[in-house]
Amino acid sequence: DAKTTQPPSMDCAEGRAANLPCNHSTISGNEYVYWYRQIHSQGPQYIIHGLKNNETNEMASLIITEDRKSSTLILPHATLRDTAVYYCIVRVPSLLNTGNQFYFGTGTSLTVIP
Amino acid sequence: DAGVIQSPRHEVTEMGQEVTLRCKPISGHDYLFWYRQTMMRGLELLIYFNNNVPIDDSGMPEDRFSAKMPNASFSTLKIQPSEPRDSAVYFCASSSLGASGGHWTGELFFGEGSRLTVL
Repeated sequence: DAKTTQPPSMDCAEGRAANLPCNHSTISGNEYVYWYRQIHSQGPQYIIHGLKNNETNEMASLIITEDRKSSTLILPHATLRDTAVYYCIVRVPSLLNTGNQFYFGTGTSLTVIP
Repeated sequence: DAGVIQSPRHEVTEMGQEVTLRCKPISGHDYLFWYRQTMMRGLELLIYFNNNVPIDDSGMPEDRFSAKMPNASFSTLKIQPSEPRDSAVYFCASSSLGASGGHWTGELFFGEGSRLTVL
């Protein structure tokens, strides 16, 4: 699976958009970009995923560059409850592969400031 | 749906004791994963099951660790004997290919975790 690079930490003002970047320059054609987050003392939570088109759901938007070497997770109106560690993961969408199903890495610690 | 249920939420034990962690996956999910999280190593996959059968246990640290899934609604992770370096939060997650049985969305549903402290 392709490796990802994320900034270790970011701050965002409450009510503003939080833009979390992720670099995945070695991504291959069949690998998807997944985002999870982990709020303190809880299990990781799935947010969104995409292949090459921009995606939006009730939680966030995912913008993937045309060359697919980077992406940005956007939380349109950050709240204090969005304070968490955000993980960007790149892998093929298959449960048949053995090995590490999801390499979570260290992620970005987002702090939403009142 | 109650989500993935893990027990106990917290366990404090002494070195050498046996520890059993339990997990009830979401009903209908046919994949179950055990993860371990520490500050030093982050989230590590230990083992995963498909239809109650262990598929990959290459992440299990050593023979002291064992995992079973006797039926579709229950799994255990056992550590015997436990050591201080086993102190971590252990997460269980479940997933499914969904109704189509084809493309997997990549969504893992995690439990709240079991925080283990071995003294």
